[in-house]
Amino acid sequence: AQTVTQSQPEMSVQEAETVTLSCTYDTSESNYYLFWYKQPPSRQMILVIRQEAYKQQNATENRFSVNFQKAAKSFSLKISDSQLGDTAMYFCAFMKPPPSGTYKYIFGTGTRLKVLA
Amino acid sequence: EAGVAQSPRYKIIEKRQSVAFWCNPISGHATLYWYQQILGQGPKLLIQFQNNGVVDDSQLPKDRFSAERLKGVDSTLKIQPAKLEDSAVYLCASSPFIRRDLGTEAFFGQGTRLTVV
Repeated sequence: AQTVTQSQPEMSVQEAETVTLSCTYDTSESNYYLFWYKQPPSRQMILVIRQEAYKQQNATENRFSVNFQKAAKSFSLKISDSQLGDTAMYFCAFMKPPPSGTYKYIFGTGTRLKVLA
Repeated sequence: EAGVAQSPRYKIIEKRQSVAFWCNPISGHATLYWYQQILGQGPKLLIQFQNNGVVDDSQLPKDRFSAERLKGVDSTLKIQPAKLEDSAVYLCASSPFIRRDLGTEAFFGQGTRLTVV
């Protein structure tokens, strides 16, 4: 069974600084997707960034980028120029598409990020 | 476009009572998920529908939980009877999944926070 591990329960960063959140996963599959979701106090999960495993190039979305190391099964999120609005829980998630999967998302336990003014 | 709608936002019940949650996914989304998020943990999949058929309900406690998706659109999740350990946020999400290379993003509602006393 696939597992997703986030080893940093809490992190803090000064506004405008850069922070990296860690995520490792365990799978024997070669075709899968990885995601970072943000959950602010409103509880609504919002997609931050996604990565297809077959793509070697790391995904980027404005201030957010990932470091995808397929062999090491590592998927870290880098937030540049941190803003107060980035304060939230961040969840790493794994998803396996058909035929071997069902588009089921498996989430890690989350990292609580606080951006300090 | 309108997002995933859930109701109620909050619910407090006594143990052994029953409760129901409602979800209206984004129009046209074929896949609907119910996740349980216990405080301090990542979301755990309870059940996944593709249109009105069940794809995965392996982690649904079927002796007390039930779910249905009416005509492949709205869904309800019911707990009867509730236990103290059911206290959690129940998240509904939907995704289009029209093609394998599309729709891998799940869109989440704001969830229902259930407290069982």
